[in-house]
Amino acid sequence: QVHLVQSGAEVKKPGASVKVSCRTSGYTFSTYGITWVRQAPGQGLEWMGWITADNANSNYAQTVRGRVTMTTDTSTRTAYMELRGLRSNDTAVYYCARGSGYQTFDYWGQGTLVTVSS
Amino acid sequence: DIQLTQSPSTLSASVGDRVTITCRASQSISSWLAWYQQKPGKAPELLISKASSLESGVPSRFSGSGSGTEFTLTISSLQPDDFATYYCQQYKSYFPTFGQGTKVEIK
Repeated sequence: QVHLVQSGAEVKKPGASVKVSCRTSGYTFSTYGITWVRQAPGQGLEWMGWITADNANSNYAQTVRGRVTMTTDTSTRTAYMELRGLRSNDTAVYYCARGSGYQTFDYWGQGTLVTVSS
Repeated sequence: DIQLTQSPSTLSASVGDRVTITCRASQSISSWLAWYQQKPGKAPELLISKASSLESGVPSRFSGSGSGTEFTLTISSLQPDDFATYYCQQYKSYFPTFGQGTKVEIK
């Protein structure tokens, strides 16, 4: 069975950074990239970017480009999303999902709530 | 970026009703469209890919159709478990996008 398990909730101050992890199991890690999607409270889904499993290619949404870095660690089958310069409107649930460029997102993590507050 | 517009934003329906949600793309995306269901506090779940291909384990009351710029998700007979928010997503572009969502509420 495919599983994506994310790290726990975070509370950060404006200007800080957060790094969310997404540990995968149940499939050949190298075959699929990882996408990150966020959802602000009461809002819809916003695609943030994706990275291939080998870290060779990544693609970020314009809304977070320059502040986000996505990476993977093939030895632990874990993907990471780091967001810097946090603002209050970065408060959201962050999801990882299996899939990258030109693909659907067929398995999702449980979500990680990141709260940005002074 | 390719914009996706869903209608309606909210839909009130009763158990047993036939429900249709529309997703319109700002340019042709061929059949590169997926539908997701999201329940409160949960991650989205993939229902349909390539506009009309039902994912494994998804009940047959769900169906998708369309190509180009206009797509529909139909639930043939609404069940209590189907009250949720539904999102379309295009993956034709290097920059995937989601529709704004359609919330299906109990009438």
